[in-house]
Parts: sequence; C-alpha cells; structure tokens
Amino acid sequence: EVHLEQSGTEVKKPGESLKISCKGSGYVFSAYWLGWVRQMPGKGLEWMGIIYPGDSDTRYSPSFQGQVTISADKSISTAYLQWSSLKASDTATYYCARRVAARGYYYMDVWGKGTTVTVSS
Amino acid sequence: QSVLTQPPSVSGTPGQRVTISCSGSNSDIGSHSVSWFQQRPGAAPRLLIYTNDQRPSGVPDRFSGSRSGTSASLAISGLQSDDEADYYCAAWDDSLNDLCVFGTGTKVTVL
Repeated sequence: EVHLEQSGTEVKKPGESLKISCKGSGYVFSAYWLGWVRQMPGKGLEWMGIIYPGDSDTRYSPSFQGQVTISADKSISTAYLQWSSLKASDTATYYCARRVAARGYYYMDVWGKGTTVTVSS
Repeated sequence: QSVLTQPPSVSGTPGQRVTISCSGSNSDIGSHSVSWFQQRPGAAPRLLIYTNDQRPSGVPDRFSGSRSGTSASLAISGLQSDDEADYYCAAWDDSLNDLCVFGTGTKVTVL
C-alpha cells in the first residue's frame, strides 16, 4: 500500500528555521514526483511546488519561490520542506502528495496526513 | 497564482443530487484534465475523481465528474450525511513551473 508519512506538529517562533519531512513507502519513491500543498487555517489548498526525488529536479510556484526550499533524499525515501526564517504567516498545515499520470494527464493520488506548523512569539 | 472558481457552498437533503461547478481558463482546465478531492474536517484531502471522470477504487459511484471546455463539475447523487465536507477541484497549468491550480473550495452541507 502506498503511504506518505509526514513529521509531527511543530510550534516555532518567528525567525526560527524549520525542516519538515514526508517519507514514502509502498512504491518506488525515486520514480514519482512529490508535491507540497499549503492550507492556512480555515482556507483552501495552495500549490507550493514539486520535486522529482530521482534527480531532485524541483519546480516552485511563483508564490513560494524564494520563500521555502524543497529537497529530497532518495536513499531514505524522504522529501523535505524547509524554511530559513519563519514568519507568523507561515502558520498552516502542509501536505505532501504523490503525483501520478493516467492517459497523459497528471493528478495527486496519495496524500500525507499533513504537518501543522504554528509560528507565534 | 490563478485559482479555479467554485461556489462557496451547496446544500441538499439526504438522497438528493447536488453538483459543484469549477470554472477555469484555456491554460488550465481547457488544456489539462481535472481532479476532485474531498476534505473532511481535520483530515487530509482524499482523491475522488481523476482525469475528469475516473473514480479510484473505493470511491462510490455516487460521485461522478465531467469536463467541458474550461469548466468542470462534480455531481454527488444519493446525498448522505457522510458526504458533508469541503470539495476542491484541481488542474495543471500551462506554465514552465509545473504549476497545479486548485479551486476555491465548496462546502457541502447535508440538511
């Protein structure tokens, strides 16, 4: 069974750094693109970016370019989302999701349970 | 980044059929397939429909999807209390950034 295990809840202060993780199992992790999605409290889903763990090719949404870093370590089937200096506006739940293709079209088939990040002084 | 437009809310009584619309543009829905997700309170999104009208195994056939031009819709027939949740459409965008755009989300209420 395909599964994405995300790291636990984080409570941080503004200006601190953070790296959250998403570990894949049940499939060849390096062979599928993995995306990150933000959901701010009470709001909708926002696309942040995507990485191909096989060669770490990464594409960012313009809204998040320069704000976060997406990386992956295929040797341990884990992708990461990282901030160097958190802001209160980074308070949200972050989901990772696997991208697959059917009939030449993409979709996100399996999602992690989400990591809730709270940034407050 | 652009978003796909959905009605904020729809409601129905048990057993009724409700539909949720998703409006986009030539660069997203007009060029790529649409997927739909269900998100119950406190839970992660769950894939309901992919490539416009396909259901993953385990999704009841009460859920159906369609796409026409730059719009798509999700229909829920035989509405059940368990269907009360937020629903999001999504499509990829014709950009160099491999961008996915989501709908604004629709809250389905079972009266």
